[in-house]
Amino acid sequence: DQQVKQNSPSLSVQEGRISILNCDYTNSMFDYFLWYKKYPAEGPTFLISISSIKDKNEDGRFTVFLNKSAKHLSLHIVPSQPGDSAVYFCAASGSSARQLTFGSGTQLTVLP
Amino acid sequence: DVKVTQSSRYLVKRTGEKVFLECVQDMDHENMFWYRQDPGLGLRLIYFSYDVKMKEKGDIPEGYSVSREKKERFSLILESASTNQTSMYLCASSSRGLGNNEQFFGPGTRLTVL
Repeated sequence: DQQVKQNSPSLSVQEGRISILNCDYTNSMFDYFLWYKKYPAEGPTFLISISSIKDKNEDGRFTVFLNKSAKHLSLHIVPSQPGDSAVYFCAASGSSARQLTFGSGTQLTVLP
Repeated sequence: DVKVTQSSRYLVKRTGEKVFLECVQDMDHENMFWYRQDPGLGLRLIYFSYDVKMKEKGDIPEGYSVSREKKERFSLILESASTNQTSMYLCASSSRGLGNNEQFFGPGTRLTVL
């Protein structure tokens, strides 16, 4: 039973355009959400997070939106750059938990 | 510069061999984690530890064990390696705080079991 789902295994976007990566969750105890980026042969690196008390968090070109009623979050990258090509993982945590639950990842390819 | 290091980047073992994967972090973190990453399945938690000598099963602990004798070191053990344990293994650590759980990852070990 996947509690965190990323339904798009891959996404291709033209350089300079917006990339939108989506994530859905089922566990209503989750109240903290993170996005990680992973290049081949490297470990994932933290990108951006959002607490359930917010509906938006922005960091430079990256913005995460949270819709609690729909149990949905999205990562927007504007403008997309070729160096953004990587696998993006959505992750979630509850306030009483130490561990994260990860989605299956979305491979983003930004075309020059 | 904070770091999580893993003992090997690539490892090839034979079926039935005992395999040790080691992870060391220099951030004085209380929590340490072992995941495996497989295509289409994302990161799945094998075991984690929140203190020295403490361990908790994750989602897929079968066929694995762990050891945490020192705070900075967390070992994953495959008692008798099997071909279905061929995977990318990732170690991570995080501070004690609950909820706000940013984890820092090592570079991964690509294990192939023949």
